[in-house]
Amino acid sequence: KQEVTQIPAALSVPEGENLVLNCSFTDSAIYNLQWFRQDPGKGLTSLLLIQSSQREQTSGRLNASLDKSSGRSTLYIAASQPGDSATYLCAVPWMDSSYKLIFGSGTRLLVRP
Amino acid sequence: NAGVMQNPRHLVRRRGQEARLRCSPMKGHSHVYWYRQLPEEGLKFMVYLQKENIIDESGMPKERFSAEFPKEGPSILRIQQVVRGDSAAYFCASSPEDSYPDEQFFGPGTRLTVL
Repeated sequence: KQEVTQIPAALSVPEGENLVLNCSFTDSAIYNLQWFRQDPGKGLTSLLLIQSSQREQTSGRLNASLDKSSGRSTLYIAASQPGDSATYLCAVPWMDSSYKLIFGSGTRLLVRP
Repeated sequence: NAGVMQNPRHLVRRRGQEARLRCSPMKGHSHVYWYRQLPEEGLKFMVYLQKENIIDESGMPKERFSAEFPKEGPSILRIQQVVRGDSAAYFCASSPEDSYPDEQFFGPGTRLTVL
């Protein structure tokens, strides 16, 4: 059974810091891994999707890496800004029914001005 | 190019009433998924639908919950006789008709509060 864990649960950093969010999964046989951002009281915004054959994806100040063998993904945020404050979720499709996304419980990020 | 739309955004119901949540997928998307996010928990899959078909409802509670995606109109998640434990954010996602796995695009969610 696939389980997705995110560490830390919460993170507070001063503006300008580079930071890393972690996502781990128990079954390394995944199709892809997706990172989302969720703002308080709002929906999910897809940030990056990494296919299983890829090692990393980049979008602006965001870089996501994937290491299937160790069951880990990291989301790197460069030069953090207060506007980056949100909850970051990672998700993987269930192998038996790939339309079911299995989500981690998220990392709540606060970037202090 | 509108994204996934959900309405209402906030819904308040008293115990025993019915809640109807609506989801319009992105243009060109024929697959719809519903997820529930309980307070302080991650999102959990509920049901997967295609037009006029329920493909997988394994994540739906066995009683009081039902979902449909008619040929015309939005997908509906219906909760009968709501209880306080149904209070949650309900998210809809959609994806195009290509083969799995594909990226799912999420709506803003409906926040249900049961008094």
